[in-house]
Amino acid sequence: NAGVTQTPKFRILKIGQSMTLQCTQDMNHNYMYWYRQDPGMGLKLIYYSVGAGITDKGEVPNGYNVSRSTTEDFPLRLELAAPSQTSVYFCASRLEGSSYNEQFFGPGTRLTVL
Amino acid sequence: DAKTTQPPSMDCAEGRAANLPCNHSTISGNEYVYWYRQIHSQGPQYIIHGLKNNETNEMASLIITEDRKSSTLILPHATLRDTAVYYCIVTPAGTASKLTFGTGTRLQVTL
Repeated sequence: NAGVTQTPKFRILKIGQSMTLQCTQDMNHNYMYWYRQDPGMGLKLIYYSVGAGITDKGEVPNGYNVSRSTTEDFPLRLELAAPSQTSVYFCASRLEGSSYNEQFFGPGTRLTVL
Repeated sequence: DAKTTQPPSMDCAEGRAANLPCNHSTISGNEYVYWYRQIHSQGPQYIIHGLKNNETNEMASLIITEDRKSSTLILPHATLRDTAVYYCIVTPAGTASKLTFGTGTRLQVTL
């Protein structure tokens, strides 16, 4: 299993541009999450999904959109990039009902908005 | 969700036990204590979790006080590869396991 994969690894955007951060997991996990991490800070939850077709807002959803059309994929969309969205973005997944309840994280996407 | 308090940084000599404390005095009865760590710029990694009993796995031990207001993560024989930021997280059961990360404890393991 590749686990949780994220693309791209790095990206520089200009203010006002749009982009989609891709996240795929091959573990058949039903729960998926998007977090952002600003320098020196802990992770903050942006959006999460408990299954295909079901998404919900986390702590910092403004400026982002998500969709979950398949179990494997959970893309994060930035419509009008702003400097405040400069951050490292982590995707994670979890299997509902697993005894360890652990989330598996991807390697992250480092985004800079100039 | 209950808040957690952790020291910002700690040092530990390689081969010694690393004891990382966490205060969660407002924890409620259905909230679990989770520990994750983040090595350099990688994604966080699950370590261990518990409700009220002490727990041990191949990575670490988790000691939760009887009143559940604090806990300690123990890495029994720290190595240089254990240098990381360690996050103590309290989260209720049945909430899609949404994790709220604080700033954690930066553990530096030295020779």
